[in-house]
Amino acid sequence: SQKIEQNSEALNIQEGKTATLTCNYTNYSPAYLQWYRQDPGRGPVFLLLIRENEKEKRKERLKVTFDTTLKQSLFHITASQPADSATYLCALDPFSSGSARQLTFGSGTQLTVLP
Amino acid sequence: EAQVTQNPRYLITVTGKKLTVTCSQNMNHEYMSWYRQDPGLGLRQIYYSMNVEVTDKGDVPEGYKVSRKEKRNFPLILESPSPNQTSLYFCASSRQHRGRTTDTQYFGPGTRLTVL
Repeated sequence: SQKIEQNSEALNIQEGKTATLTCNYTNYSPAYLQWYRQDPGRGPVFLLLIRENEKEKRKERLKVTFDTTLKQSLFHITASQPADSATYLCALDPFSSGSARQLTFGSGTQLTVLP
Repeated sequence: EAQVTQNPRYLITVTGKKLTVTCSQNMNHEYMSWYRQDPGLGLRQIYYSMNVEVTDKGDVPEGYKVSRKEKRNFPLILESPSPNQTSLYFCASSRQHRGRTTDTQYFGPGTRLTVL
């Protein structure tokens, strides 16, 4: 069956360190993968999108990698700050051959950056 | 300001009493979608719409209905709510290209529904 797994439900790191979050998937061939940030009680907010033909994408302190052979995406936050504390969701396009498409989400990793 | 709005934000109701959660977007997006979010289960798609009068089931459509009579609105209808529909609901919208959603999805602020 198709599955998206994000590493540990919770991740604690010290301020200033690099946070690395993992998203693994099985039985998908996604055309792209997205990362979202979600704060408690609020809707997810888009951060980055990486396409299947891209190895790496950067945006300010954020970096995403996409390895279609390993079926894995890594999401890095460098020089982390307490304000980066949130739940981070990965989502992928199942690349259905049909006309309709759904975005499928992982259950998220809750990141806490300790001061 | 580009946004997705949902109403109500909080709702407590009783089993069997029909309710509608409204969703509206001002970005002229073709694609709209409803999700529910439950602890440990993440975001699960209920229904989605590729355009006006085009809707399709997501992963957990049972007990829900939707309609897409106008491009900007995508209401979620619970004809006979039950306690297992207690959840946090999100509406989202996105552009569409060649029949597929593209790029980012914009989410509404969420509706917290409790069914007693």
